[in-house]
Amino acid sequence: EVQLVESGGGLIQPGGSLRLSCAASGFTVSSNFMTWVRQAPGKGPEWISVIFSGGTIYYADSVKGRFTISRDNSKNTLYLQMNFLRAEDTAVYYCARGSIVARDYYFDYWGQGTLVTVSS
Amino acid sequence: QTVVTQEPSFSVSPGGTVTLTCGLSSGSVSTTYYPSWYQQTPGQAPRTLIYTTNIRSSGVPDRFSGSILGNKAALTITGAQADDESDYYCVLYMGSGIWVFGGGTKLTVL
Repeated sequence: EVQLVESGGGLIQPGGSLRLSCAASGFTVSSNFMTWVRQAPGKGPEWISVIFSGGTIYYADSVKGRFTISRDNSKNTLYLQMNFLRAEDTAVYYCARGSIVARDYYFDYWGQGTLVTVSS
Repeated sequence: QTVVTQEPSFSVSPGGTVTLTCGLSSGSVSTTYYPSWYQQTPGQAPRTLIYTTNIRSSGVPDRFSGSILGNKAALTITGAQADDESDYYCVLYMGSGIWVFGGGTKLTVL
């Protein structure tokens, strides 16, 4: 059974750093593409980063230069290092597994999310 | 800046049919954007309903269907049930590792 469990969220001051983890089971993170999606309170989800199986990485403009996605294959875990945090980064952060069908890239499994609150 | 548009809210009667749409602020949605649809209830993670325009994810009831209608992607719920009351989000794949979510549609079943 595929499971994704996020951790590492919490209250952090503006300008601070936080690292989120997403522990995967039931599949190998390095065999799929993995993404981070966040959802600010009362808002819709926002895609923020992806790491493909070959290691190619992309970021949304809103986090480029501040956030870093990575994975540890030995731990089967996805990470999101978040630096220079701003109030507008406050959100529930979800990791999601991606699947590829023909040329379609979509998200098939989601974690339950971890809340990040950026506030002084 | 690509903006994916959805109706902010919709209501449907139990047993009724409703079609939610997903458009682009400029241009048309086609199958080349590989539209997918996700359902989310408050406090829960999104659930994948539809991918590649019209393929139902595993375990999704066949009352949910996806299509392209005119210049938009569409999610149709046929025979709506009370527990279909949720937020629905479409996502378009822009290519090159970039996805854009729509603003979501809050569906009320009453």
